[in-house]
Amino acid sequence: NAGVMQNPRHLVRRRGQEARLRCSPMKGHSHVYWYRQLPEEGLKFMVYLQKENIIDESGMPKERFSAEFPKEGPSILRIQQVVRGDSAAYFCASSPPGDVRYEQYFGPGTRLTVT
Amino acid sequence: RKEVEQDPGPFNVPEGATVAFNCTYSNSASQSFFWYRQDCRKEPKLLMSVYSSGNEDGRFTAQLNRASQYISLLIRDSKLSDSATYLCVVSLGGGYQKVTFGTGTKLQVIP
Repeated sequence: NAGVMQNPRHLVRRRGQEARLRCSPMKGHSHVYWYRQLPEEGLKFMVYLQKENIIDESGMPKERFSAEFPKEGPSILRIQQVVRGDSAAYFCASSPPGDVRYEQYFGPGTRLTVT
Repeated sequence: RKEVEQDPGPFNVPEGATVAFNCTYSNSASQSFFWYRQDCRKEPKLLMSVYSSGNEDGRFTAQLNRASQYISLLIRDSKLSDSATYLCVVSLGGGYQKVTFGTGTKLQVIP
């Protein structure tokens, strides 16, 4: 059973470009979470999605950031018009439905560098 | 007050030592608690869940104190490989699976 997959692992964008980060949850998992980790800082929750639904986006910046988890295919975190401050590691995690332990399984992350 | 607070450390301990970390949480309705471990530039990985009765896994012991709203992690006989950042994680549970991560406590085990 493959773990959570994220791609690309490293992404370099110039200021003003768009960044698209992909996350494929573990097989059988229907919940996806995105987190951002700035250098030397903790994980910050961004958004929680289930298939075709955004459940909680309270951690998403109001502008330029969006996320989706379509019926088919990976979850996508999109950052439009990137700025230097968007440089960070973006982790995706997934969990199965009805798991009372609420454990989350993390992908290896995408490291975004904005030049 | 932060939802989940941890001493960032670093805790520098010699091999074989016993070290303990505490984590406090602000929401008394929290139901699920975990310790995750994160190695430098890697993803967090679950170390152990924390149960009301406390639980032990080898050299690691986790405790929950609901009255004082804190959880603890005890590591006995520290190994060099234990060097990492330990993240305290709290969830409200109840079918909603958003969790809140502490900023982590850095542990460095010294030869």
